Amino acid sequence: SQELEQSPQSLIVQEGKNLTINCTSSKTLYGLYWYKQKYGEGLIFLMMLQKGGEEKSHEKITAKLDEKKQQSSLHITASQPSHAGIYLCGADTRDDKIIFGKGTRLHILP
Amino acid sequence: KAGVTQTPRYLIKTRGQQVTLSCSPISGHRSVSWYQQTPGQGLQFLFEYFSETQRNKGNFPGRFSGRQFSNSRSEMNVSTLELGDSALYLCASSRRTGDYGYTFGSGTRLTVV
Repeated sequence: SQELEQSPQSLIVQEGKNLTINCTSSKTLYGLYWYKQKYGEGLIFLMMLQKGGEEKSHEKITAKLDEKKQQSSLHITASQPSHAGIYLCGADTRDDKIIFGKGTRLHILP
Repeated sequence: KAGVTQTPRYLIKTRGQQVTLSCSPISGHRSVSWYQQTPGQGLQFLFEYFSETQRNKGNFPGRFSGRQFSNSRSEMNVSTLELGDSALYLCASSRRTGDYGYTFGSGTRLTVV
C-alpha cells in the first residue's frame, strides 16, 4: 500500500467555496511538506510543518499537522481560479529522502 | 535570482538509446535531487547529490545514474532507454541535504518511442 495517501484524488469546487485536502502517512512523520504543481511543470513549495499541532497559513491556504494521527490537512478558504492545480504532500520519515503522495487535482469552476 | 534550470525541456528518444539531462541549481544550493514523475507512480525519488557525492539513491535500476560537478550543477543519465522511462524528470535543489523545502525546476519531458 502507498506510504503516503492523499484524499481526495480529484476535487471540483465552485469559485468562492472552501475545500480541504488530506494527507495520511503510514510512518512516523518528522516533517510534512505541501507543494503545488501546475500541469507539466515543476512543484512550488507552499509550506512545511514539523511540530504536532502546528498550523501555518499563506494567503488563503492553511495547513495543519496532527502528529498523533500522522496526518495533515490543507484548507483553502474562498477558492479562486489561481488555486487550481495539483497539490502534493511530501513526508520526511527520516529515511534520508522525502516521499510524496500521488497528489490531489483541484479544479475551480467559475 | 535565477531559479532551477533544467535542459532540455522536451526530448524524444528511441528505445535502446541513452540520454543525459542537465540541472543547474539556484546559486548557493549545494543539494540536488532528481525525481521521476509518471501518472501511474507519481513522484519517485531517483537520487540526491551533495558536494559532488551521491547521498541517497532510490529503487531504480543501474541504467539510471547521475553526477554532480564542483559548481553544484548536476546531470542524470539513462542508458538503454525503455518505453517505461517516458516521464517528466524533475530536479530539485536546496541549500543542504535534509532540507526538503525544495526549489524545483520545470522538468524535462522525456518520451521514448
